[in-house]
Amino acid sequence: SQKIEQNSEALNIQEGKTATLTCNYTNYSPAYLQWYRQDPGRGPVFLLLIRENEKEKRKERLKVTFDTTLKQSLFHITASQPADSATYLCALGGDTSGTYKYIFGTGTRLKVLA
Amino acid sequence: GAGVSQTPSNKVTEKGKYVELRCDPISGHTALYWYRQSLGQGPEFLIYFQGTGAADDSGLPNDRFFAVRPEGSVSTLKIQRTERGDSAVYLCASSSTPSDTQYFGPGTRLTVL
Repeated sequence: SQKIEQNSEALNIQEGKTATLTCNYTNYSPAYLQWYRQDPGRGPVFLLLIRENEKEKRKERLKVTFDTTLKQSLFHITASQPADSATYLCALGGDTSGTYKYIFGTGTRLKVLA
Repeated sequence: GAGVSQTPSNKVTEKGKYVELRCDPISGHTALYWYRQSLGQGPEFLIYFQGTGAADDSGLPNDRFFAVRPEGSVSTLKIQRTERGDSAVYLCASSSTPSDTQYFGPGTRLTVL
């Protein structure tokens, strides 16, 4: 069955450093991959989308890579700030069956220490 | 412009009761998604609509769950004979097209006693 794995343990980093979060998947060939931020008690907020034919996408301090051979996406936050502390979710969508349903990972909790 | 809204924000019910959860998507968004999220987990796909029709309902856990979107905008998720295991946050999201950015609502926290 389709499976998505994200670091289950919280990631603590020092302010100013680069945070790197990992999303691995198996038994799936997604057409695109999305990253979301979720704060406690709120719905996820979209950050970046990357398509299967793209290797890298950037937006301000955020960078996403997508390796369909390794079946892995890396999400980087450069010059991290305490305000970046949240749970980050990856979601895969658009498989070869034509459905547009999304499958989410369990999320990685990031804490940026001042 | 208004985002996705969900009502109620909290719902407490007793085991065996029927509940309805409502989602108002962003105006003009044709795709609408329902998810369920338990503590410490990511959103779990339930169903998505393209217009008025359910394009994929493979995530509905059993026949106690049903969702409608009769006019292609507002959607209602209906749960019959609720069970304690149904307790979770139910999230709704909409997008302009199925492959586009999803905008999530704040969720409805359902507690089944």
